Amino acid sequence: RKEVEQDPGPFNVPEGATVAFNCTYSNSASQSFFWYRQDCRKEPKLLMSVYSSGNEDGRFTAQLNRASQYISLLIRDSKLSDSATYLCVVNTSTGFQKLVFGTGTRLLVSP
Amino acid sequence: DGGITQSPKYLFRKEGQNVTLSCEQNLNHDAMYWYRQDPGQGLRLIYYSQIVNDFQKGDIAEGYSVSREKKESFPLTVTSAQKNPTAFYLCASRFGQESQPQHFGDGTRLSIL
Repeated sequence: RKEVEQDPGPFNVPEGATVAFNCTYSNSASQSFFWYRQDCRKEPKLLMSVYSSGNEDGRFTAQLNRASQYISLLIRDSKLSDSATYLCVVNTSTGFQKLVFGTGTRLLVSP
Repeated sequence: DGGITQSPKYLFRKEGQNVTLSCEQNLNHDAMYWYRQDPGQGLRLIYYSQIVNDFQKGDIAEGYSVSREKKESFPLTVTSAQKNPTAFYLCASRFGQESQPQHFGDGTRLSIL
């Protein structure tokens, strides 16, 4: 089993739609969680950290479910510019930071 | 502007040649990291450094070497022992606690001639 698993997609949605991605992780001792966005042939950019109580940043909402070991990302009112690959990232270590990256979920938003 | 600068953007390596990828940050971050990304795969950790003059192997360190002589610089050398060097190389840095996210440079694409 991979340490971090994501559905590769692609998710094809029209503008204005709401879309949700899930990500599961295998290490129950994982300490911190992030969503990054990566455009084609570019570097990953931090979208948001994921907190235990859930958190929202504009149209983006992240949730963490430690019991079931998954995190989710909800995007409301999708824009064309949201088209990208979304990487689920988990810090699996204690004492130092070791991030494990999922392979990403591709989102395509169409007019 | 503060940030992480990687150079060059594109690099070609000949058979038997060592090449060095540059990573410089002016963010005053202590921790720095090198990853490689292959098509359809997640980023994989090559080396990391939590402080000047100290660095540790990541998951795929074979065929690579690093140095950390200055806080702001963490160069990666791809040696001739790395038989499959073609990839997208990403440098990252982090400030503060382990719970803080990493921030990336814009990467170097390495190909074999």
